[in-house]
Amino acid sequence: DAGVIQSPRHEVTEMGQEVTLRCKPISGHNSLFWYRQTMMRGLELLIYFNNNVPIDDSGMPEDRFSAKMPNASFSTLKIQPSEPRDSAVYFCASSFRDTSYGYTFGSGTRLTVV
Amino acid sequence: DQQVKQNSPSLSVQEGRISILNCDYTNSMFDYFLWYKKYPAEGPTFLISISSIKDKNEDGRFTVFLNKSAKHLSLHIVPSQPGDSAVYFCAASVGSGSARQLTFGSGTQLTVLP
Repeated sequence: DAGVIQSPRHEVTEMGQEVTLRCKPISGHNSLFWYRQTMMRGLELLIYFNNNVPIDDSGMPEDRFSAKMPNASFSTLKIQPSEPRDSAVYFCASSFRDTSYGYTFGSGTRLTVV
Repeated sequence: DQQVKQNSPSLSVQEGRISILNCDYTNSMFDYFLWYKKYPAEGPTFLISISSIKDKNEDGRFTVFLNKSAKHLSLHIVPSQPGDSAVYFCAASVGSGSARQLTFGSGTQLTVLP
């Protein structure tokens, strides 16, 4: 298995533009998580899905952020419009059933909004 | 309000000596704790975990200790090796089934000096 695959690895965009981050979880995993890493706050959970259904989106910072999981093998995190303070590394992770075995993280997308 | 805290943003240790990384939590309902290691430009990877019914779990050079009365856990690495240099995240979870999720600390950068 190739693990959790995120794209793009790096994204540089201008303020006000729409940004879409993509994630392919590990096949068979039924939970998917979007995290944001910043120096100040570490790893913050933005939203997570179970069986493609959003369970908790309380970590989504603003209405500018939205996430979808149209099927078990694909999820997107969209920021529209983007702002410089959204600059961070965004991680996607997946797991099976519960966290006893931990999550498997993707390599992340480094987003820079200028 | 951070429920999982890692108060030391960085730690430097000489090769061969013991590294001790600390983590405190506030939610007494947490029942499972994990440590993740993160290298630059990679996603966090699962390292070791401990259930709240235990006070110690050992895996090779890595040992996690849990003190529930103090709401404190620590990761011991002995002997430390230069390849251990990474950011270490403490995480805690509560809930069951689809409601279970991880809450991460802000991370500690460990540098093992040769």
